[in-house]
Amino acid sequence: NAGVTQTPKFRVLKTGQSMTLLCAQDMNHEYMYWYRQDPGMGLRLIHYSVGEGTTAKGEVPDGYNVSRLKKQNFLLGLESAAPSQTSVYFCASSYSQGNQPQHFGDGTRLSIL
Amino acid sequence: AQKITQTQPGMFVQEKEAVTLDCTYDTSDPSYGLFWYKQPSSGEMIFLIYQGSYDQQNATEGRYSLNFQKARKSANLVISASQLGDSAMYFCAMREGPRKLIFGTGTRLQVFP
Repeated sequence: NAGVTQTPKFRVLKTGQSMTLLCAQDMNHEYMYWYRQDPGMGLRLIHYSVGEGTTAKGEVPDGYNVSRLKKQNFLLGLESAAPSQTSVYFCASSYSQGNQPQHFGDGTRLSIL
Repeated sequence: AQKITQTQPGMFVQEKEAVTLDCTYDTSDPSYGLFWYKQPSSGEMIFLIYQGSYDQQNATEGRYSLNFQKARKSANLVISASQLGDSAMYFCAMREGPRKLIFGTGTRLQVFP
């Protein structure tokens, strides 16, 4: 049982390059999320989606774009990578009910040089 | 604004002893939920336990229990009979509205023999 799968697991970029992180879930969850985790700061929400074709901004959306063309996939894009975007990125998904936990992928470690 | 505070950056506990990890929160919303997640050194986020604001009893899941004191706005995680495998980062999180989670900065727990 795969759960939430993130691709790739590691990536090194140069400043100004672009890339897309892919998140796929097989639990038929309505909601999906992208977080970043920086040392000493816990997880911060970048963008989230409450259903196919919908996206919304989280706490730290600047410099990122997202798309949810299919219910099971949630893509996070960096159009012009900056060193400040060096972080570990987590995707999560959940059912819509508020008492349901978010299920996380294993994370993507991204370094911007 | 909603906020989660974890004041213990690090905790030590001897194997087989119980340990309490503190979490306080701030919200004006009468309906909210509190989650605890474990992050081992391998990096994945593991859901442990959930407490809803209207739940009458403290949540329990195996060796994990949540000491929920609503008037004091605290939701401390209690781990009984600590095991070496409990060594990890522990994050408290609060549901904001029906969708988003606000995370604390985490507590690193180290269990020693």
